[in-house]
Amino acid sequence: DVVMTQSPLSLSVTLGQSASISCRSSQSLVSSNGHTYLMWLRQRPGHSPRRLISSVSNRDSGVPDRFSGSGSGTDFTLTLSRVEAEDVGVYYCMQATYWPHTFGQGTILEIK
Amino acid sequence: DVQLVESGGGLVQPGGSLRLSCAASGFVFSSYSMYWVRQAPGKGLVWVSHISADGSATEYADSVKGRFTISRDNAKNTVFLQLNSLRVEDTAVYYCTKGSDSWGQGTLVTVSS
Repeated sequence: DVVMTQSPLSLSVTLGQSASISCRSSQSLVSSNGHTYLMWLRQRPGHSPRRLISSVSNRDSGVPDRFSGSGSGTDFTLTLSRVEAEDVGVYYCMQATYWPHTFGQGTILEIK
Repeated sequence: DVQLVESGGGLVQPGGSLRLSCAASGFVFSSYSMYWVRQAPGKGLVWVSHISADGSATEYADSVKGRFTISRDNAKNTVFLQLNSLRVEDTAVYYCTKGSDSWGQGTLVTVSS
């Protein structure tokens, strides 16, 4: 199985500041069709996960442009600029290039 | 809007069975693969199973292979997960998802004596 490794595992950010979460995969996530199926999801306490970004950098509908994804191959980053209180939760990277799809361990974001 | 509503969770003894259902609406159900993902209490997300749009192909995580069965009824816009030979470690919230872009609210399965 592809192992997804996130860092840091927890993050304390001042309102209005930026935050970055790294995600590394144990093998390249470029599929045979050339696409890279790397997603970012957030799970707020007591809620279901919600996808924020698909295919490395495509924001889902309704996701603020404060969220951006980047990376390629095995190294990926989620960047949150101007962090707001509503951004708290656990952030997961997820690969859907190979079955079984796999998630990172999750990064807890809290407001300082 | 896409809606996924899971049901069927509950408390069951080790070795028991449950059948989870996920009723879908707001999209052309028969055109999409569907997935089940679970989350043990206080833990992360784990893919459990996948079924293709027409139901002809299925995949399972090694931890549930041979015990869980995924199926779907495209006429009723519903996907199912049959859980047999349940173990304590199967205790989790089970989410139905449409390929990660839409998630249900989850249904809790507790396996305990």
